[in-house]
This record gives sequence, structure tokens and C-alpha cells, in this order.
Amino acid sequence: TQTVSQSDAHVTVFEGDSVELRCNYSYGGSIYLSWYIQHHGHGLQFLLKYYSGNPVVQGVNGFEAEFSKSDSSFHLRKASVHWSDSAVYFCAASGGYKVVFGSGTRLLVSP
Amino acid sequence: GALVYQYPRRTICKSGTSMRMECQAVGFQATSVAWYRQSPQKTFELIALSTVNSAIKYEQNFTQEKFPISHPNLSFSSMTVLNAYLEDRGLYLCGAGDNERLFFGHGTKLSVL
Repeated sequence: TQTVSQSDAHVTVFEGDSVELRCNYSYGGSIYLSWYIQHHGHGLQFLLKYYSGNPVVQGVNGFEAEFSKSDSSFHLRKASVHWSDSAVYFCAASGGYKVVFGSGTRLLVSP
Repeated sequence: GALVYQYPRRTICKSGTSMRMECQAVGFQATSVAWYRQSPQKTFELIALSTVNSAIKYEQNFTQEKFPISHPNLSFSSMTVLNAYLEDRGLYLCGAGDNERLFFGHGTKLSVL
């Protein structure tokens, strides 16, 4: 069974703080990991992906994520958040065309 | 670049009626299209995966009779929600894929009165 776990349902930080959103996966075979952002009332926007190579991948708006095979993790990080980063973040794992999403983490950035 | 247009963006239908949503891939060949539903306060559930020249595969709890899907070519797909009721409300998302990854549309938000 393929699963994606986001252990934190809500994360609250202040503007300028760093943040890490956690994602752990359980997946057999080759895996493609992604992070998406969903602003309130909108669809999904792609942030970044990892398939192979450098385990630290850079995405849009200063986000990066690090793949760890030993921990089965793909945590998302940002060094300094802005209020506009407030949204729900989804981690996703895919093998082929089937994508399994995590339950999402709601990030609230206070000014 | 690769883009996926999904429409309508929002729709309201009366309970027991049906509504159709469409997904257009631009800039790449959508060999596969996946339809997802995000119910209120929940994550995305896969409804079905359609690959050109193959049978459409529906996930458990979703049926062709309720969510018929058309995927006639490499740039277009549609899905209908038949006899929509309150539990069908949510954001329906189309993901269209080439050989590398899925590109997502903005979704169709369905409200049911």
C-alpha cells in the first residue's frame, strides 16, 4: 500500500521565521515526490519535485525539500516565510501516473 | 510550457442533477488523465485514471455509472458527476500527464444545493 503521511495538520509561524513541513512516505519501487500548495479556494500549484540525483531540490518562491531514503522522508523547508505563504501544502508521491497525496499541512504565517 | 486548463472553475447544481467538467492539456500530450476529488477539509482522492487506448480504471468507491469519463484524444478529457448530491460537493481536479509527471488544472469547485 502506498501512503503519504503529513504528521502536522497545522503549523503556525511568524513572518520571517524558518519553517519545515514534514512528509513521510511508504512506497514500493521508483518514486516521484512532489510538493504542492493550495491557497484558499484555489486548485493546486506545483512547488517542486524529486526523482533522482541531488536529494535537495529547489522550488519556487524560496522553497526547498530534501529527500531521505533512510528516513523515507521528503520535508519541505523555507528559510524565511512571508505572510503570503499561508496556505495548505500537500506532499505527493507517485509511481507512474497514480499520485497519492498526503492529508495536507495548513501553514499560517502571522505578520 | 505545459498547461492544463480546467473549466468551469466553479459551478452550482441542484441536488439530483448532473454537471460536466472539462480538462484541456496545452503544450504536451496528455497520454494519461487522472481525476481527483477534494471533499471539504480533506485531501485529494483519486477517482479514476484514464490512459489513451486503455480502459479507464476507477478507484474503490467511485464508479463509471456515477462519474463517467471521456478521454478521446491527447489533449482533452471530461468527467460528469451524475445525480449530484450534497456528498459530491468539493473541488474536482484534473491531472494530465505525459511520460514524466502530472500537470494539474485549477480545479472545478462543485456546490450542490
